[in-house]
Order: sequence, then C-alpha cells, then structure tokens
Amino acid sequence: DVQLLESGGGLVLTGGSLRLSCAASGFSFSSFGMSWVRQAPGKGLEWVSYISNSGGSTYYADSVKGRFTTSRDNSNSTLYLEMSSLEIEDTAVYYCAKGSWEDVWGQGTTVTVSS
Amino acid sequence: DIQMTQSPSSLSASVGDRVTITCRASQGIGNDLGWYQQKPGKAPKRLIYAASSLDSGVPSRFSGSGSGTDFTLTISSLQPEDFATYYCLHHSTFPQTFGQGTKLEIK
Repeated sequence: DVQLLESGGGLVLTGGSLRLSCAASGFSFSSFGMSWVRQAPGKGLEWVSYISNSGGSTYYADSVKGRFTTSRDNSNSTLYLEMSSLEIEDTAVYYCAKGSWEDVWGQGTTVTVSS
Repeated sequence: DIQMTQSPSSLSASVGDRVTITCRASQGIGNDLGWYQQKPGKAPKRLIYAASSLDSGVPSRFSGSGSGTDFTLTISSLQPEDFATYYCLHHSTFPQTFGQGTKLEIK
C-alpha cells in the first residue's frame, strides 16, 4: 500500500524556521513528483508546493515563495519542506501528497506559529 | 493564475437525495481536475480524477463531469457516510488551486 507519513511539525515563534519531512513507502518514490498542501484551522485547502520526480523543478504558491523550499532525497524516499521567516498565517496542518494529481495523502503534521 | 470558484459553499440534504456541486475555472483547464472528500480531522481523499474518472474503491454513486471551465460532482443517492466537505482542485498549471469547499450537512 502507498503510505505517506509526515513529521516535524510543532510550535515555533514568528520569524522562526522549521523543517517538515514526509516519508514515502509502497511506490517508486523517484518516479513521482510530490506536493505539499496545507489547511489553516477551520479553513479550506491551500496548495503550497510541488517538486518534480528528480527534484530539478520546484513550484510554490505566492504566499510562501522565497520563504519555503521543497526538496527530496530519492535514496531515502523522503520529501522535505524547509520553512523560514514563519508568519502567524502559516499556522496549518501540512499534508504531503503523491504526484501533481495528489492521489494519495499523508495524515498531516501540525505547524503552529505564535508570537 | 487560474482561480476555481466552487458552489455552493454549504448544502443541507437528506439521505437518499441527489446532490450536485459545481466548480468553475477562470480559464480553460481541459479535464485537469480532481474532486476530494474530507471528513473532520482527516486527510482529504480523492474521489474523482481527470474530471470524470472514479478512483478505485469509490462508490459508483459518485460521478464527475465537465471539461474546459465548468465541472460538476454528483452524488446520486446520499448515504450517511457522505456528509463531509468536498473540494475541487485543478492541476492544469502551477500554481494549482482548490475550490473554496462545499460543506455537505444532514438536513
């Protein structure tokens, strides 16, 4: 079975940094691009980022561009989201999802940014 | 950027009802659209891909249609487990965008 397991969430002060991880299993990780999606408390889903299967191409939402960096380690089937200059508005559950068609999702990890 | 306008934002219906949710894209996206179901405290689950293809294991009462700019998700006969929030997502170009969501509640 395809499984995605996010980790690394937590409480961070405004202006701080955090790195999220997404461990993948059950599929050929290096063959698929991967996405990050977030959901602020009580709000809808927001697409955050996409990385191609090789890692050679990355795309970001305007709301995180220049502050967030998506990367991957295909040898360890792990996706990363490096977040810096965090703002209150970045408080959300962060999900990783398989592919640019987001067919399978992880359970999410919670990031809380506080002043 | 392509914007997705989803309607209605909420919907009250009864078990057995037929329900339709709509998403409109601000420009043509072919059939590059998926529909997702999310229950409280859970990750979204994809129901439909390529606008009208049913994901494996998804009941046949769910169906999707449309292409270009106008898309619909239809539930032919609501079941108790279908009460949830539904989102559309276009993946035609980056940035991808979700619709605002439709909360389906029991009447």
